[in-house]
Amino acid sequence: GENVEQHPSTLSVQEGDSAVIKCTYSDSASNYFPWYKQELGKRPQLIIDIRSNVGEKKDQRIAVTLNKTAKHFSLHITETQPEDSAVYFCAASEGGSNYKLTFGKGTLLTVNP
Amino acid sequence: DAGITQSPRHKVTETGTPVTLRCHQTENHRYMYWYRQDPGHGLRLIHYSYGVKDTDKGEVSDGYSVSRSKTEDFLLTLESATSSQTSVYFCATETQYTQYFGPGTRLTVL
Repeated sequence: GENVEQHPSTLSVQEGDSAVIKCTYSDSASNYFPWYKQELGKRPQLIIDIRSNVGEKKDQRIAVTLNKTAKHFSLHITETQPEDSAVYFCAASEGGSNYKLTFGKGTLLTVNP
Repeated sequence: DAGITQSPRHKVTETGTPVTLRCHQTENHRYMYWYRQDPGHGLRLIHYSYGVKDTDKGEVSDGYSVSRSKTEDFLLTLESATSSQTSVYFCATETQYTQYFGPGTRLTVL
């Protein structure tokens, strides 16, 4: 099955700095890569996703890049704010399906004011 | 939040007792999932359903069973709860690739 590795497990940045979280996956047939944000005590919520036919996607301060050859994808957050503090999870679809995801173990991002 | 509710939201039970968690959705989504979340492990798939009475195992299905008799309800049962099943359980539904999560159930097995 799919295996997703996520790094780093914790990340601390100063407000206004950029943050980058990286994930690698094992199944070359994976074609969908979402990122979820989970605030303390809350449910995971989708913040951005990318499909395999796209190399980069941006939404305001958040961007995701995908390198299919190397089988890795990354989340970039610019101009970080304290409200960006949360756990972020990457995921990859299993095989060619669009309905099963394998999640990374998560990154705790702390943005210090 | 894709109209997903979970019940109960919190439960404390004793080892060996049966426990059933309920997930209810109002969006008529075909796919539904049960995950458990534990520190250091992220979200791990227990079981999923691709239609009424159609279910399949996920990564960590041992000790769990599921049922889906109606599109809107997906039940997760721990036949005989163990302390290792203490966790936060999330239900999710899927539409157009995106999975939407319920609010979660915190289960403690003493």
